Amino acid sequence: EPEVTQTPSHQVTQMGQEVILRCVPISNHLYFYWYRQILGQKVEFLVSFYNNEISEKSEIFDDQFSVERPDGSNFTLKIRSTKLEDSAMYFCASSVRRPPTDTQYFGPGTRLTVL
Amino acid sequence: AQTVTQSQPEMSVQEAETVTLSCTYDTSESDYYLFWYKQPPSRQMILVIRQEAYKQQNATENRFSVNFQKAAKSFSLKISDSQLGDAAMYFCAYRSEYSGGGADGLTFGKGTHLIIQP
Repeated sequence: EPEVTQTPSHQVTQMGQEVILRCVPISNHLYFYWYRQILGQKVEFLVSFYNNEISEKSEIFDDQFSVERPDGSNFTLKIRSTKLEDSAMYFCASSVRRPPTDTQYFGPGTRLTVL
Repeated sequence: AQTVTQSQPEMSVQEAETVTLSCTYDTSESDYYLFWYKQPPSRQMILVIRQEAYKQQNATENRFSVNFQKAAKSFSLKISDSQLGDAAMYFCAYRSEYSGGGADGLTFGKGTHLIIQP
C-alpha cells in the first residue's frame, strides 16, 4: 500500500541554522500538508499546499517557514533560522482531493532537535 | 476556533475485551468531520474511522465503532475484541466543512495511549 515517506527521521541542528525537511507524498495525491507536534502537546496544522502554492496556513506558519515542491515527487518544509522552540516532530500528509471531503494520509514524521 | 479534548491520557484493557476512548470537541459550526487516527509506536498515523456531522448513523469499521452525540459534542471510539496490535496512541481530530482560516488542517486532541494487556 502506498505510504507517505519523510526524511530524515531525526535532524539535529544548531539554533540559527536553516533546515529542510523532506516528504514524498503518495503519488496520485494533489494536496499536501505539514503539521508539527511539540513534545507533550497537540499535533498542530502548519500549512496546506496545492497546485504549487500555499492553500492555507495557520498562525504558526510565519515568515521563517516556507514550503515548496521542487520536483514532481518531493514536498519540502524549510525553516530559515531555527529557534529552540522549533524543536518538535514534523509530520507531512497528503490527500487526493481538497479538504474536507478526503482523508489525509500521514508520514512517520521527522524529529527536529534544535540545540 | 475549534478545540478537541481527550480527557484520558492513558487507557488499559485486557486482550479480547472492549474499551471506549473519549473525545469531546467545541465548535460553533454545524457541518464538520470527525476522525480517529491511530499511531503505533514509531509509525505513521493511520485513519481508523471518520464521521460526517450531517450523518446521524454512527460510523463502524469492523471492530471499531463510534458513538457520535452531536448535541453533546461528543465522539467516542469503541474498540471491541481488543487485540495486541491495537496498542497505539489514538488521536481524535476535527475538520471544518468550510475553507479559510486554516480549515484545511485537522484540529487534534492530545491523544490517548492505549495499552493492551495480554
